[in-house]
Amino acid sequence: GIQVEQSPPDLILQEGANSTLRCNFSDSVNNLQWFHQNPWGQLINLFYIPSGTKQNGRLSATTVATERYSLLYISSSQTTDSGVYFCAVEYGNKLVFGAGTILRVKS
Amino acid sequence: GAVVSQHPSWVICKSGTSVKIECRSLDFQATTMFWYRQFPKQSLMLMATSNEGSKATYEQGVEKDKFLINHASLTLSTLTVTSAHPEDSSFYICSARGYDSGVTDTQYFGPGTRLTVL
Repeated sequence: GIQVEQSPPDLILQEGANSTLRCNFSDSVNNLQWFHQNPWGQLINLFYIPSGTKQNGRLSATTVATERYSLLYISSSQTTDSGVYFCAVEYGNKLVFGAGTILRVKS
Repeated sequence: GAVVSQHPSWVICKSGTSVKIECRSLDFQATTMFWYRQFPKQSLMLMATSNEGSKATYEQGVEKDKFLINHASLTLSTLTVTSAHPEDSSFYICSARGYDSGVTDTQYFGPGTRLTVL
């Protein structure tokens, strides 16, 4: 099956700092999504991004499908950005999740 | 945006009892619903996929008789954990896929249900 690898596994930032999270996948996929899981467990859709670049406020994402990776950029981080960030790829009819990046933003 | 609800948000039960978890798509029709399980500090693992009106498709290693899934309508799917045991304690998350504001094939996730079996 497909492998989805996220890096880094853990990240601690000072409030206001920028960061880049990476997602590599081992095969061609139908689409890719980025999620934020808050401390209460809710998964929030951030981006549906099979290719190209999208921006939403302080967040942006880029997927280069031909090279099988996606990047999530967080600028001017805030404490509310803390949580786990997952990328998930659609492979066949299923979403396959990476292991996640645990982000902690300190004030 | 699309909203998916789950009920209950948490449940504690005794070993041997059955627990039903409901997943509803509130403002769109979900042609497909998915059930995931998440252990502490781990990623989400797909348990099964269900399409409205048909039997669920279970992932390898998931016991069909243990985790009963019913997708009775385009807005409701249920997961029943039968004869629950402590090892079934976990965070169960459903998602729904349909069509919302022109964005197709996006999965929207419920808030999850935390099951604790004593």
